[in-house]
Amino acid sequence: KNQVEQSPQSLIILEGKNCTLQCNYTVSPFSNLRWYKQDTGRGPVSLTIMTFSENTKSNGRYTATLDADTKQSSLHITASQLSDSASYICVVSANGGGADGLTFGKGTHLIIQP
Amino acid sequence: GAGVSQTPSNKVTEKGKYVELRCDPISGHTALYWYRQSLGQGPEFLIYFQGTGAADDSGLPNDRFFAVRPEGSVSTLKIQRTERGDSAVYLCASSLTSGGAYEQYFGPGTRLTVT
Repeated sequence: KNQVEQSPQSLIILEGKNCTLQCNYTVSPFSNLRWYKQDTGRGPVSLTIMTFSENTKSNGRYTATLDADTKQSSLHITASQLSDSASYICVVSANGGGADGLTFGKGTHLIIQP
Repeated sequence: GAGVSQTPSNKVTEKGKYVELRCDPISGHTALYWYRQSLGQGPEFLIYFQGTGAADDSGLPNDRFFAVRPEGSVSTLKIQRTERGDSAVYLCASSLTSGGAYEQYFGPGTRLTVT
């Protein structure tokens, strides 16, 4: 069964600090991995999409890494800002399957404190 | 340009009633997806359309749930005989076409509360 596990479940850090969120998956056959940011009461917004051949991708202060061998990904946030407070959802796409084979993690709830 | 819009933003209904949730995708996007998200959980796939046809409805929980997209643009998710367990945020997303590499753009969701 395809699964995506994220850790930690929640995280609180001070403004200006860095943090790293983890995503482990068992999805086959792998197509791509996405990180989404979801603000409270809003729909998810895509941060990065990585295919099998990519092992890092940046979007501003967000940097995602992918290790397809160990089936792990991380999202690193640099110099956090209050607006980074949100849920971060890891989504893995398999070739074929419902909704293009997307399997969603439960997300990491990140709180940035001033 | 306009993003994905969903109406209503909030819907409160009594157990046993019928509800319709509407999704307006980004213009030109042929693929449209419906998800359900419970508190503290990631989105759960319900159904997706490629054009007017339901390409995959394997996520619909039971036959009380039905969705249509008659003209290949706007979609309506219909829930009959609502139950309290149906309470959730219903998210709609669209993409240029189906296929795992295409980015999905999400709407703000409709929060459904069944009392």
